[in-house]
Amino acid sequence: GESVGLHLPTLSVQEGDNSIINCAYSNSASDYFIWYKQESGKGPQFIIDIRSNMDKRQGQRVTVLLNKTVKHLSLQIAATQPGDSAVYFCAETSNTDKLIFGTGTRLQVFP
Amino acid sequence: EPEVTQTPSHQVTQMGQEVILRCVPISNHLYFYWYRQILGQKVEFLVSFYNNEISEKSEIFDDQFSVERPDGSNFTLKIRSTKLEDSAMYFCASSTGTRGYEQYFGPGTRLTVT
Repeated sequence: GESVGLHLPTLSVQEGDNSIINCAYSNSASDYFIWYKQESGKGPQFIIDIRSNMDKRQGQRVTVLLNKTVKHLSLQIAATQPGDSAVYFCAETSNTDKLIFGTGTRLQVFP
Repeated sequence: EPEVTQTPSHQVTQMGQEVILRCVPISNHLYFYWYRQILGQKVEFLVSFYNNEISEKSEIFDDQFSVERPDGSNFTLKIRSTKLEDSAMYFCASSTGTRGYEQYFGPGTRLTVT
């Protein structure tokens, strides 16, 4: 596991509760945002995306909220399950191919 | 469900050696990317590739790195003379659109340079 480098904030939730993971982005010109889930030893898995002309987008059990005024993105997971345990990253881009990833939040789901 | 695949899953090499990391992007995707993640750190963009040429590259992607699509399915990252600091997970990604749109990542290749 990760023993050096970034200290990941951790969110611990009980199975069945809702989770809210937050992300502050830095570039006010960013116009496209993605949430990724990364399980240990695996690559980032696409969860949901949102463009800057929207402030909310819903998927299956997940909702992304975008507040451009304060440059804040959140991921809401409904009825959190043990399989949701992972590190969650937000990523942003401003009209380029380059995704800029955030530091990540570790979600721990306990029974 | 189609997915990006990468080989090998783990590559150990000695400093100064050349390595080639291989990726098979999702078949109908036209845009290809390499990222890396040093242990415990953020995922970092290296390069994007479209229509057989580099679209964008980061400052990390120096002359030691090159990418190639040698055939209709593979996408490779070559590091000519590896350094200790090249040790990282290398992720390939692909997408149907540009400008960051829905990039799907492979499982990664862990490169260890000794």
